[in-house]
Amino acid sequence: QQPVQSPQAVILREGEDAVINCSSSKALYSVHWYRQKHGEAPVFLMILLKGGEQKGHDKISASFNEKKQQSSLYLTASQLSYSGTYFCGTERVNAGGTSYGKLTFGQGTILTVHP
Amino acid sequence: ETGVTQTPRHLVMGMTNKKSLKCEQHLGHNAMYWYKQSAKKPLELMFVYNFKEQTENNSVPSRFSPECPNSSHLFLHLHTLQPEDSALYLCASSQDRTLRWGYTFGSGTRLTVV
Repeated sequence: QQPVQSPQAVILREGEDAVINCSSSKALYSVHWYRQKHGEAPVFLMILLKGGEQKGHDKISASFNEKKQQSSLYLTASQLSYSGTYFCGTERVNAGGTSYGKLTFGQGTILTVHP
Repeated sequence: ETGVTQTPRHLVMGMTNKKSLKCEQHLGHNAMYWYKQSAKKPLELMFVYNFKEQTENNSVPSRFSPECPNSSHLFLHLHTLQPEDSALYLCASSQDRTLRWGYTFGSGTRLTVV
């Protein structure tokens, strides 16, 4: 079961903020975030593990609410280089409480930053 | 070379052709993956290899045949494909199946079946 991302698309001006959400109906071991620019490989941004945590990466940060099986990616003071498609990838928990060792991806959120 | 390299970058093939996609990583990773990326659809996991052994086939049609001769190389052999198989095929690798450091993706092979 793939996670659901929202919104599907975001248009920003430089310096504005954005939030991208990722929601799963299954118990998660971790949530990953990736960014893909047109014609390029998706690039790993960060991982958030179960236990609920928040991570930062320059002006890009994320949180993981384990109870709700939801993650949010926060982009603050956006730059032109932030444009691209953002994917969340979820890692499910197996019966033993560990990971299945594979990612299921959301449909992506297209972020466009204008000057 | 560093990272994950996929060849060819673009491939056009007829439905009766046989072709192969190649993926190579020089990161010392032990797990490798094939994903299919179609327009307006999420990335779909196809196959998982861990230490050269296939650990997952996600109900992929037999016209797609993976091969992993060693931990650094992964192939996807294609034969008698359908037009709906046209997509971007992405290879990824990870340190191991714990995924602590995420996936490293290749740039993909854009496949068009005519």
